Parts: sequence; C-alpha cells; structure tokens
Amino acid sequence: DTAVSQTPKYLVTQMGNDKSIKCEQNLGHDTMYWYKQDSKKFLKIMFSYNNKELIINETVPNRFSPKSPDKAHLNLHINSLELGDSAVYFCASSQTGASGNEQFFGPGTRLTVL
Amino acid sequence: GENVEQHPSTLSVQEGDSAVIKCTYSDSASNYFPWYKQELGKRPQLIIDIRSNVGEKKDQRIAVTLNKTAKHFSLHITETQPEDSAVYFCAATLRGSARQLTFGSGTQLTVLP
Repeated sequence: DTAVSQTPKYLVTQMGNDKSIKCEQNLGHDTMYWYKQDSKKFLKIMFSYNNKELIINETVPNRFSPKSPDKAHLNLHINSLELGDSAVYFCASSQTGASGNEQFFGPGTRLTVL
Repeated sequence: GENVEQHPSTLSVQEGDSAVIKCTYSDSASNYFPWYKQELGKRPQLIIDIRSNVGEKKDQRIAVTLNKTAKHFSLHITETQPEDSAVYFCAATLRGSARQLTFGSGTQLTVLP
C-alpha cells in the first residue's frame, strides 16, 4: 500500500552509461515531480507533470528526459551519465484543487556515478 | 517566480529547549506554506502546514506562524527531543494550483542529549 514508490533504491553505474528510474503513485494524484537532492541537501525541482503534460522543466540538461505513460507513473531516463549526476533523486506527487498541494515523496533513488 | 530563503542552515539545541527556524518568501500570491522534515536517509515528510488565512497553527510540540505583511513564516519546536534531529524544509506555493512548491534550502537541526 505504498503511496509513492521508486525503483531502484540504489543505482551505481559508470560514467557515460544510460539509466532509468521508475516512479509510481497510487494516490490518484494528477501531478508528479522529480527532484534532485545533492550532498548539501538542497531539494531542486527538475520536472513537473500535470495530467501527463510537462508543466515545469527547470534548467536541466537535455540528457534528462522524463516520461509519463499515464497519470500514475513518471519515469526519469538519464543519458550519458556524468559524475555530477550523483545525488538522491526523489519522485513526488500531489493533487491540484482546493484540498491539494501536499506533496508525497517517494523513498528516493541514490545514484552514484563512478 | 517564487523565492524562499531559510535560516539558519544549521541549528543545535539542548534537549528540552526550543528551536525556531525562519523563512521568507517573495511572491505575495503564495498562500500555502508547508514544512517538511527529512530524517537521515529518509524521504521528506510533511509535518505541518499553514494557509494564508490564519496567523498561527499548532500541533502538539510544533507550531507555525505566518506574517503575510512581512512575507515570513516560522517553525517553532518546543521541548525538543533527540528524535527531532533532522533536516527541516520550508516551502511556499499557491494552494490549489499546479504551481510547484518552492523549497527553502533546509535547516539541519541537532538536538543534543
């Protein structure tokens, strides 16, 4: 009954590889997000999808490509991984509307690029 | 866009003392201000939030105050316990919209036994 789940939890890979992180929410929310949290703990928004449509794309290299096959899923694909991509990536979801805006976070994916 | 500043970046208190974390925001249209707690190795989780139509909200040992005129809001934790040690994030957004939450930079709170 996990609300927001991510896989994998840990990802160790070599520079130059391509990898994907998957996210699923079973809360029926209409908006999903990807955040990057670096070693200084700052939560940086990367992407936001509302009803499968991209609504926010912060200054993120185009090596990062989000894909939302449906409202419950938002996957993150990363091409040509670089050392600086090492971080914890959090998926989150929320529901727009009068009762919404609380964001529920997934458990995070710790990405280490060697 | 919205800009949220959070202070201090680190805070150490003795167990039983109070802790206060302060945030300021820039967009006067923002009307929803949540606080998230992130324990080491865990996900951020909402601990309390406040809407712009109230000035203060309490939940047991934690409280949040909001000053709309000055555009700042604060988190107060009383009778701190070691399990309160975590990183705390403030955030701001326009409630009900698809606008993102803008987070502060976080405060590492350490409660010393």
